[in-house]
Amino acid sequence: EVQLVESGGGLVQPGGSLRLSCVASGFTFSNYGMNWVRQAPEKGLEWISYITSRVDSMYYADSVRGRFTVSRDIAKNSMFLQMNNLRAEDTGVYYCARDMAAGPDVWGQGTTVTVSS
Amino acid sequence: DVVMTQSPLSLPVTLGQPASISCRSSQSLVHSDGNTYLNWFHQRPGQSPRRLIYKVSNRDSGVPDRFSGGGSGTDFTLKISRVEAEDVGVYYCMQGTHWPRTFGQGTKVEI
Repeated sequence: EVQLVESGGGLVQPGGSLRLSCVASGFTFSNYGMNWVRQAPEKGLEWISYITSRVDSMYYADSVRGRFTVSRDIAKNSMFLQMNNLRAEDTGVYYCARDMAAGPDVWGQGTTVTVSS
Repeated sequence: DVVMTQSPLSLPVTLGQPASISCRSSQSLVHSDGNTYLNWFHQRPGQSPRRLIYKVSNRDSGVPDRFSGGGSGTDFTLKISRVEAEDVGVYYCMQGTHWPRTFGQGTKVEI
C-alpha cells in the first residue's frame, strides 16, 4: 500500500523552529518528486515546497522562502521540512504529498503545527 | 505568481443532478513541454485532499467516471455528471505549470 506518514508537528512560540518528517512506503521513493502543502484552520490549501526526485532542485512559496528548507534522505525513504523563524500565520496542518504529473497524487494524513505564545 | 480563481465559491447541489465548477488562471497553463498541468482535488471535512484529475482531463486511479475535467489555456472546468452524497466537500484546482504552484480558493459543494 502506498503510504505517507508525517510527524514532528506541535506547539512552538513565534520565532521558534520545528522539523517535520514524512516517511514513505509502498513505492520507490527515489523515483518521485515530493511536495509540502499546508492548510491554515478553516482555510484553503497552500502549496509551500517541492523537492525533485534527484534532490537537485527545490522550490518554495514566497511565504516561506528563506525560512523553510526542504530536504530528503533517499536511504531512509524520508522527506523533511526545517521550519525556522515561525510566525502565527504558519499555523495549520502540514501535508506531505507525492508528485505525479506536476501535482500531488498521494497525500499523508497531515501533522499539525501551532505557532503561539 | 499565477492566480487561480474558482467559481462559484459555494455550490448547492441536488442528488442525481449535474454540477460544474470553473477555474481560471491568470496566465496560460500550457507548459513548454506541450502539456497543461491543471489538477483537481476533493477534500471532505476532516480528511486529507484527494486528487481527482490531472493534466486537465485525466482521472486518477479509482476516481468514478462521473467526474470529468476539461478546458484549455486559462479556462478549466470540473463536471460531476450525477452528484452523489459522498461528493460533498471542498473542491480545489491547482496549477503545476509555473513555480510557485498555486491553488484556487476552493468551492464548497453541499447538498
